[in-house]
Amino acid sequence: AQSVAQPEDQVKVAEGNPLTVKCTYSVSGNPYLFWYVQYPNRGLQFLLKYITGDNLVKGSYGFEAEFNKSQTSFHLKKPSALVSDSALYFCAVRDGNAGNMLTFGGGTRLMVKP
Amino acid sequence: SAVISQKPSRDICQRGTSLTIQCQVDSQVTMMFWYRQQPGQSLTLIATANQGSEATYESGFVIDKFPISRPNLTFSTLTVSNMSPEDSSIYLCSVGDDHYNEQFFGPGTRLTVL
Repeated sequence: AQSVAQPEDQVKVAEGNPLTVKCTYSVSGNPYLFWYVQYPNRGLQFLLKYITGDNLVKGSYGFEAEFNKSQTSFHLKKPSALVSDSALYFCAVRDGNAGNMLTFGGGTRLMVKP
Repeated sequence: SAVISQKPSRDICQRGTSLTIQCQVDSQVTMMFWYRQQPGQSLTLIATANQGSEATYESGFVIDKFPISRPNLTFSTLTVSNMSPEDSSIYLCSVGDDHYNEQFFGPGTRLTVL
């Protein structure tokens, strides 16, 4: 079985400050990890992924995430938040050794205040 | 990345009726998926739409309630049958790339059942 936990329902940061959205996972095989963003009344947009290689992954819109195997975490980060980053963020995991099912976390609502 | 469109974008339906949602992709894809996002919730995989064979349903979802068609590699439909207010959700179509390392999502269909 595979699972994803996003411990924070909501994260609030001031514009220009760094942001972190937390994600931990559980999977039997090799973790394939993803971050998606959902703006109001829109579908999910792919931000970044970790499959293999460097633990620090850079993605769209200045976001990055660090894969930490020992802590089974894949936190999303951005050095300087923008008001336009305000959205719902989902972390997801797939077992690279078995199947194609993507399991999503509960989502974290990011609010960036001017 | 694939461009995915869904019809309708939203609908309001009466209890006991059925709605068919269409998903069209701009390129041939091997894997197509249907997800449900209930209000304020994360995404849950309903089924994998297989071309030329019956869809593969996840636990808690059955073919009688959510029949799926996949006549070719660019198109799929999901029907929500005998609807009740509990079926009010956003239904999202998703496609996987050849190596299933990324999934792209359509804009979603927002269904409200009265």
